[in-house]
Amino acid sequence: EDQVTQSPEALRLQEGESSSLNCSYTVSGLRGLFWYRQDPGKGPEFLFTLYSAGEEKEKERLKATLTKKESFLHITAPKPEDSATYLCAVQGWGDYKLSFGAGTTVTVRA
Amino acid sequence: DSGVTQTPKHLITATGQRVTLRCSPRSGDLSVYWYQQSLDQGLQFLIHYYNGEERAKGNILERFSAQQFPDLHSELNLSSLELGDSALYFCASEPGQAAEAFFGQGTRLTVV
Repeated sequence: EDQVTQSPEALRLQEGESSSLNCSYTVSGLRGLFWYRQDPGKGPEFLFTLYSAGEEKEKERLKATLTKKESFLHITAPKPEDSATYLCAVQGWGDYKLSFGAGTTVTVRA
Repeated sequence: DSGVTQTPKHLITATGQRVTLRCSPRSGDLSVYWYQQSLDQGLQFLIHYYNGEERAKGNILERFSAQQFPDLHSELNLSSLELGDSALYFCASEPGQAAEAFFGQGTRLTVV
């Protein structure tokens, strides 16, 4: 069964203080690794898909990277509006479902 | 706005009752997924439909069922509700090529 572990559970940052979130995974054949952002009481919002080790994607202050066993989401010079829960999910070749980690809740203080 | 519409947004019902949650996928998307999100379990996959056919089942209880209609909207039926069924229920859709899935805003179900 696919497993996804995210760390840390919570991260408190000062505005402008860069940091990284970790997503470790085990899957029998990775089709894709997905990052989502979720605000309280809202649906997950798609950020990135990574397909192969070494791949990197960027969007504004966010950059996602992928290795064979983990993915990192780097937040550069965060702003308060980056406060959210960031979810990592994997999709294996067996089916199309997403297996999610528990998420990292990021709080950015002004 | 993801383009995925879920109704109702909130639902409060009593134990033992039956409810139906509705999902309209993004235009052109053939795949619909249902997920349950509770505080202690995180996002859990329930079921996947593609163009009207069931493709995969996750940890979905026998009291729960779903279907996808010819117009591609989907319904999740929850029966004999228990307090533990209280959760956020999300629908997600994608074109059917294992692309990124886009989520609706969810239905918050409270069983009292």
